[in-house]
Amino acid sequence: DVKVTQSSRYLVKRTGEKVFLECVQDMDHENMFWYRQDPGLGLRLIYFSYDVKMKEKGDIPEGYSVSREKKERFSLILESASTNQTSMYLCASSPTGQGAYGYTFGSGTRLTVV
Amino acid sequence: AQTVTQSQPEMSVQEAETVTLSCTYDTSENNYYLFWYKQPPSRQMILVIRQEAYKQQNATENRFSVNFQKAAKSFSLKISDSQLGDTAMYFCAFGGGATNKLIFGTGTLLAVQP
Repeated sequence: DVKVTQSSRYLVKRTGEKVFLECVQDMDHENMFWYRQDPGLGLRLIYFSYDVKMKEKGDIPEGYSVSREKKERFSLILESASTNQTSMYLCASSPTGQGAYGYTFGSGTRLTVV
Repeated sequence: AQTVTQSQPEMSVQEAETVTLSCTYDTSENNYYLFWYKQPPSRQMILVIRQEAYKQQNATENRFSVNFQKAAKSFSLKISDSQLGDTAMYFCAFGGGATNKLIFGTGTLLAVQP
């Protein structure tokens, strides 16, 4: 069964900590995405990657960075966590195809910054 | 730029009845793809149904079907014989153009009442 795996379902971190959210896919997909999900705001794109070592900013990249050293892994980094980054974080992947195939999502990480 | 609008933040339906969730979108593309995703309380985002814009026939997956009106840029989801397990957040999404990204609506929270 193909899947996208996010390393943690729940995380609690302190303000100012550096936070790593990991995402691994086993489908050999070229594209990987990080979204945050907040009530009433839907899914907002933080960063995405079309290839190894390649990254592009989404709609809300401030306060975040990413790393894609291997095709199967896409990491989201909160350089200095703040309380306004408390949210649900969703990772997704897709094959190349101009949006034709949709995404496969991970099960999400609920991050709380205190 | 493409946009996706879901105008119903919340809906409720009785078990075994039929419900329709609305979605409209805006695009200048002629060839594109539309999706409905389901996110149950367990948080795993699951693809429900996919529609290719160049196909006039409405997509169907068991109890789920769409009413795709290309000229009106409308893509509604009909759930027949609603079940308690259909309780979830439903997101409409657009894929197409020169990008691999999907554009999501803000979601509709559907509650199926016993």
